[in-house]
Amino acid sequence: GQSLEQPSEVTAVEGAIVQINCTYQTSGFYGLSWYQQHDGGAPTFLSYNALDGLEETGRFSSFLSRSDSYGYLLLQELQMKDSASYFCAAPDDAGKSTFGDGTTLTVKP
Amino acid sequence: EAQVTQNPRYLITVTGKKLTVTCSQNMNHEYMSWYRQDPGLGLRQIYYSMNVEVTDKGDVPEGYKVSRKEKRNFPLILESPSPNQTSLYFCASSLSLTSPGELFFGEGSRLTVL
Repeated sequence: GQSLEQPSEVTAVEGAIVQINCTYQTSGFYGLSWYQQHDGGAPTFLSYNALDGLEETGRFSSFLSRSDSYGYLLLQELQMKDSASYFCAAPDDAGKSTFGDGTTLTVKP
Repeated sequence: EAQVTQNPRYLITVTGKKLTVTCSQNMNHEYMSWYRQDPGLGLRQIYYSMNVEVTDKGDVPEGYKVSRKEKRNFPLILESPSPNQTSLYFCASSLSLTSPGELFFGEGSRLTVL
């Protein structure tokens, strides 16, 4: 099985940078994905790291270290609309896809 | 427009009355999956399917059934719903789960079992 741990809440101010960490314990690990979800709406895909290192997509970046079983999502130039829940997720080689419990990000003016 | 469509979006039912939540995707994706989301518990996988006629249990399969007779459809069946199945349900699909690991989600189905 798999388990992923992430902080339950993070607060930051507009324009700042915030990092959301995710540590995992898995078997058959393939990579780490990140999703954003606003207020019970559908989760939307942000990024996927199959290899170690940093992936950058606009204001969002994601990092993976397989040796440390650790990854993070970095959000830069925070905007009010970034207030949402963020989930890390890990598919395994059997087809299961496990999600962390989510981090609620609150962006304050 | 590429999308995953779930129906119904909202449903209130009573204990024991069989119901089906439909899920359809128009992206020719091989992989499809069902999740339930409860407050503070994130998304928990119920069942998944790697391809037609291939389904497997996720982490919380008890009380649910699925089928994958066609590539585009993956219905979730609750044979005898109980109040502990009150939840927000999401269907998702992916071209291939492990590459690039991107799931497309439906809008969700909010189910209440009285």
